[in-house]
Amino acid sequence: GQNIDQPTEMTATEGAIVQINCTYQTSGFNGLFWYQQHAGEAPTFLSYNVLDGLEEKGRFSSFLSRSKGYSYLLLKELQMKDSASYLCAVFSGGYQKVTFGTGTKLQVIP
Amino acid sequence: GAVVSQHPSWVICKSGTSVKIECRSLDFQATTMFWYRQFPKQSLMLMATSNEGSKATYEQGVEKDKFLINHASLTLSTLTVTSAHPEDSSFYICSASTSRNYGYTFGSGTRLTVV
Repeated sequence: GQNIDQPTEMTATEGAIVQINCTYQTSGFNGLFWYQQHAGEAPTFLSYNVLDGLEEKGRFSSFLSRSKGYSYLLLKELQMKDSASYLCAVFSGGYQKVTFGTGTKLQVIP
Repeated sequence: GAVVSQHPSWVICKSGTSVKIECRSLDFQATTMFWYRQFPKQSLMLMATSNEGSKATYEQGVEKDKFLINHASLTLSTLTVTSAHPEDSSFYICSASTSRNYGYTFGSGTRLTVV
């Protein structure tokens, strides 16, 4: 089976930096996604990591360590609109199956 | 970029009736489509995986006779919730991928309320 763990909730201040961690245990690992989901909306793609290391995309960066089964999403210069749930998802197996973690609800405060 | 259209955005139905949700890939051919369900304050739970022209693969605990999935073409998959009950009320989201680049795109979701 698969096991994906994320913190349930986090709070951070506008303009600050926040790191959202994700640990996973899975077989047939292919890659790891991060998605952002605002309440009542579908998830939107943020990043996809296949290899170890840090990938930077504007204010968002994502890190992966395959050997440790660990990833994090780093959000810089936080804005109020970044308040949302952030979902870590593992892509594994031959049928492109993606399994989601429970998500981290981030609240950005002034 | 790849666009997935999901319809309807929201629907209210009476207990015992059936509801069909459509998921279309607008500018690419989706060899595989996935259906997820999301209850309030919970994450996305995969219900089933469907490949064009073949039977869907359902996740453990999902009733295949209750949640009928049809993937008749490379651009359309449908999920029919049969004999709906109030506990089926949820947010249903489809996603589609292509074998070419393993892109993974979500539809906008359907809010189903069964009364």
